[in-house]
Amino acid sequence: DTGVSQNPRHKITKRGQNVTFRCDPISEHNRLYWYRQTLGQGPEFLTYFQNEAQLEKSRLLSDRFSAERPKGSFSTLEIQRTEQGDSAMYLCASARGTGNQNYGYTFGSGTRLTVV
Amino acid sequence: GESVGLHLPTLSVQEGDNSIINCAYSNSASDYFIWYKQESGKGPQFIIDIRSNMDKRQGQRVTVLLNKTVKHLSLQIAATQPGDSAVYFCALEYAGGTSYGKLTFGQGTILTVHP
Repeated sequence: DTGVSQNPRHKITKRGQNVTFRCDPISEHNRLYWYRQTLGQGPEFLTYFQNEAQLEKSRLLSDRFSAERPKGSFSTLEIQRTEQGDSAMYLCASARGTGNQNYGYTFGSGTRLTVV
Repeated sequence: GESVGLHLPTLSVQEGDNSIINCAYSNSASDYFIWYKQESGKGPQFIIDIRSNMDKRQGQRVTVLLNKTVKHLSLQIAATQPGDSAVYFCALEYAGGTSYGKLTFGQGTILTVHP
């Protein structure tokens, strides 16, 4: 296992379509995070999983967004009825964590979404 | 609310020079600070971190300084190399949160190193 894997790397979709991204974390990592990054900005937190439980969702995560981590391993992020404003890089990160300590916090290379 | 900002959006240096990238933050309850490097088309890559009970930490060619009094964080890169060219972000974690590892990022500084 060489790191956090995200697929696809690039996605171009028409406005109104649904898209789904996948994140495969480092295998022993129990914590998984999704971020969104727009051009020229730092990543913004979207949501956080500990094992299969989604523990926090940002206000940025509208009703059109849903994330899952059904078996506590890989995670998916789905965007329904995409809008042009959804165009961004979607980053996944994972870590091995206990309490307030995280180890090996690692980002994937992201999925770049373009909505046309 | 939390905010993290940078004094300069771009920094150009000559190869071999030392670089200093600055970051200001507003949440005094932040207890963990990280610097990331991001190259085009890649995710952020960890450089160095520091906890709030420290004011300086050194790594290989990098040093992070934390001044809690003025809520300021800096990254110093010694003998900057062309391979250091990238966007640099500071990020912080709020100690009082329950979502451990939830990071707040600054806007980023573009570092360009000229040979």
